[in-house]
Amino acid sequence: DTAVSQTPKYLVTQMGNDKSIKCEQNLGHDTMYWYKQDSKKFLKIMFSYNNKELIINETVPNRFSPKSPDKAHLNLHINSLELGDSAVYFCASSQLWVGAAGELFFGEGSRLTVL
Amino acid sequence: AQTVTQSQPEMSVQEAETVTLSCTYDTSENNYYLFWYKQPPSRQMILVIRQEAYKQQNATENRFSVNFQKAAKSFSLKISDSQLGDTAMYFCAFMKQGSSGTYKYIFGTGTRLKVLA
Repeated sequence: DTAVSQTPKYLVTQMGNDKSIKCEQNLGHDTMYWYKQDSKKFLKIMFSYNNKELIINETVPNRFSPKSPDKAHLNLHINSLELGDSAVYFCASSQLWVGAAGELFFGEGSRLTVL
Repeated sequence: AQTVTQSQPEMSVQEAETVTLSCTYDTSENNYYLFWYKQPPSRQMILVIRQEAYKQQNATENRFSVNFQKAAKSFSLKISDSQLGDTAMYFCAFMKQGSSGTYKYIFGTGTRLKVLA
């Protein structure tokens, strides 16, 4: 069983369209994340949710809206896609305890190409 | 703000040889965590090794070991007996607890390692 799964793995779309990427984790983790990896492989945090609550919201355009229906799912919806949104988007999860922290478990990534 | 620097964009090593990837970070915190992640061409990010800052002993995982120098804020990864399957991007990451119980992982820019046959 895949621990963190994302769909779709590849997405090609036109500028101006709206698209969603879904993420699910079966690890029982409380915290989930969205990262963006650009063409230079730089990984940047976008959002983090803990038990369905948004706890990290980096400087990301309002066109990006995360949604967490339950702690096992974190979806990313993007409105009015722009060329600069082309990237690989990684979902990740981790389990955190008071005074300690676990490593990130990543999905396989979703490559978004905006034409 | 915390930063993570990987000064070697690309490296290569002969199969069976040893290679060291460097990572430095900047923080004023005393308690934090450091990680090395591997991203092979398949794109999946995989944890290689993890180090808690409060532990003086360097972490090891089979052929992978770290040299953690807390005072120097240095966290290098040594790969012994390099194998072709080690070819990948390697990312150094720093994590600490922020305000309101948030945890933030900050990644370096990565080092592309190629193992040569």
